[in-house]
Amino acid sequence: NAGVTQTPKFQVLKTGQSMTLQCAQDMNHEYMSWYRQDPGMGLRLIHYSVGAGITDQGEVPNGYNVSRSTTEDFPLRLLSAAPSQTSVYFCASKDRRLTGELFFGEGSRLTVL
Amino acid sequence: AQSVTQLDSQVPVFEEAPVELRCNYSSSVSVYLFWYVQYPNQGLQLLLKYLSGSTLVKGINGFEAEFNKSQTSFHLRKPSVHISDTAEYFCAVISQGGSEKLVFGKGTKLTVNP
Repeated sequence: NAGVTQTPKFQVLKTGQSMTLQCAQDMNHEYMSWYRQDPGMGLRLIHYSVGAGITDQGEVPNGYNVSRSTTEDFPLRLLSAAPSQTSVYFCASKDRRLTGELFFGEGSRLTVL
Repeated sequence: AQSVTQLDSQVPVFEEAPVELRCNYSSSVSVYLFWYVQYPNQGLQLLLKYLSGSTLVKGINGFEAEFNKSQTSFHLRKPSVHISDTAEYFCAVISQGGSEKLVFGKGTKLTVNP
């Protein structure tokens, strides 16, 4: 049972480049989300999804796109990377019947030069 | 909207000493409360949660927390810490009534020294 799998673990981009952070879960969780973690800022919600075909914005959605075509996958797209997007990104999922009990991936560390 | 304040960004303690990590929250509606732990270079994992019932909740690894509604607090405690408890701890809140948005505090880095 792999849980939540994120790829890549590390990525370096140049300003203006695009990329997709992948997230997959094998627990059949309806809810999936993306957070970014910055020093002294805690975790901030970027986007979330309560099921296939449904997405919504979190606290810091600007510069990021998401889609949810399957229950298992929830990719995060950076269309034109900026240095302010240098961060560690975490994907998390949960069973909607269990309030607040998120399962996290191991994170993707992104550096934008 | 909800917000969470973790009063200490860093807490150094010696092994076998007791520790308390403080968390206060703000919300106009009733909430559920959580503590998550993040070990170095890993994702977060749930430590304990308060949904209802007894205000003293016990979690994994000997941690416990007490919900105090009048003081809007949910402090985390352990009577005797180990080196392996060195990690960052996050308090989080979610509003009752079906919200899916978990709001995290900024974290407290606990360092246990020998």
